[in-house]
Amino acid sequence: DADVTQTPRNRITKTGKRIMLECSQTKGHDRMYWYRQDPGLGLRLIYYSFDVKDINKGEISDGYSVSRQAQAKFSLSLESAIPNQTALYFCATSGSRDGYTFGSGTRLTVV
Amino acid sequence: QKEVEQNSGPLSVPEGAIASLNCTYSDRVSQSFFWYRQYSGKSPELIMSIYSNGDKEDGRFTAQLNKASQYVSLLIRDSQPSDSATYLCALAGAGSYQLTFGKGTKLSVIP
Repeated sequence: DADVTQTPRNRITKTGKRIMLECSQTKGHDRMYWYRQDPGLGLRLIYYSFDVKDINKGEISDGYSVSRQAQAKFSLSLESAIPNQTALYFCATSGSRDGYTFGSGTRLTVV
Repeated sequence: QKEVEQNSGPLSVPEGAIASLNCTYSDRVSQSFFWYRQYSGKSPELIMSIYSNGDKEDGRFTAQLNKASQYVSLLIRDSQPSDSATYLCALAGAGSYQLTFGKGTKLSVIP
């Protein structure tokens, strides 16, 4: 099994729908992150969490919310999806100075 | 605000040549530096980390760090078509595990 698992891998949803992207990890890391990636814009941080009770906004949190259900689980929600939220979404974890481990990503399309 | 600058490319090199990827950064207190490889539609994969000035070699990859010049580079020797990907430079500040990413350089290795 992968160290960082994201579900779903692909999702097409309609404008205005609520959608949740899930991330779970088996690395035992305290720190978890949600990024979106758009062509030409690189990785942009949406939210991050240092532990279950510590959740922080990133540079582009508007329109998104998160929940850290346990050390191993960090979910990202789009309360009312809009087309410009179409992107590739990545969850990542870190537990040391040795960089991040990324999940496989979720390709989200909002129509 | 940390900034990480990379030439977006594409950088094209012939098979067997040395590919040189460069990254500059603005925050002098940055301590940890990373290179990630990302194939199209896939998640970033850590290929090199470097923490001290100088060179660090791992197989065909060499990372070079010059903190005085705020410059980190990645050399890929004997480039292969399978090296064609986008390479992301990332860094973290002292005592921090949180990474700031550049937008990436797209490398194309021509057979």
